[in-house]
Amino acid sequence: ILNVEQSPQSLHVQEGDSTNFTCSFPSSNFYALHWYRWETAKSPEALFVMTLNGDEKKKGRISATLNTKEGYSYLYIKGSQPEDSATYLCACGAGTYKYIFGTGTRLKVLA
Amino acid sequence: ETGVTQSPTHLIKTRGQQVTLRCSSQSGHNTVSWYQQALGQGPQFIFQYYREEENGRGNFPPRFSGLQFPNYSSELNVNALELDDSALYLCASSLTSGSWNFGPGTRLLVL
Repeated sequence: ILNVEQSPQSLHVQEGDSTNFTCSFPSSNFYALHWYRWETAKSPEALFVMTLNGDEKKKGRISATLNTKEGYSYLYIKGSQPEDSATYLCACGAGTYKYIFGTGTRLKVLA
Repeated sequence: ETGVTQSPTHLIKTRGQQVTLRCSSQSGHNTVSWYQQALGQGPQFIFQYYREEENGRGNFPPRFSGLQFPNYSSELNVNALELDDSALYLCASSLTSGSWNFGPGTRLLVL
């Protein structure tokens, strides 16, 4: 059974600071890893889909890396803005359909 | 292109009752998954449908059942509701193994 863990559970950063979170997962039977951004009262929004060890993806000020051998992914936000405040979820798949979600990292960016 | 929609947005039921939640997939998406998110937890996989057939199931009892229709819309049915069924229910649609598009969720309260 996959166990996906995210850390920290929550954090507050000042506007302009850069920050990063971790998603840890068992490295066996890895298929893909997804990152989502979830703002309150909205649907989760897909950020990245990562499949290959060493993958690095970037979308504006947000980027992510993947290490499938050691079982972790980092999400980085450069120059955090108040609009980046959200819960960031990762989901790890061991097949094409069953994805196990972490409990998320709740980010609050203070102006 | 319309996104994923869910209905109703909120629902209150009492123990022992039955409930049906509905999801309209993003146009062209033939795969839909349902998730339950209890307070303070990450989304838990309930089951997935691909072209009207269930092709994966999480650790949920048989009183959680589903349907997918020819237009790829979907229903989640829960019989004999229990207090612990109170949660946010999310559906997500996908085409092949790409990223998932989530609906806004249905918040169910069981009294």
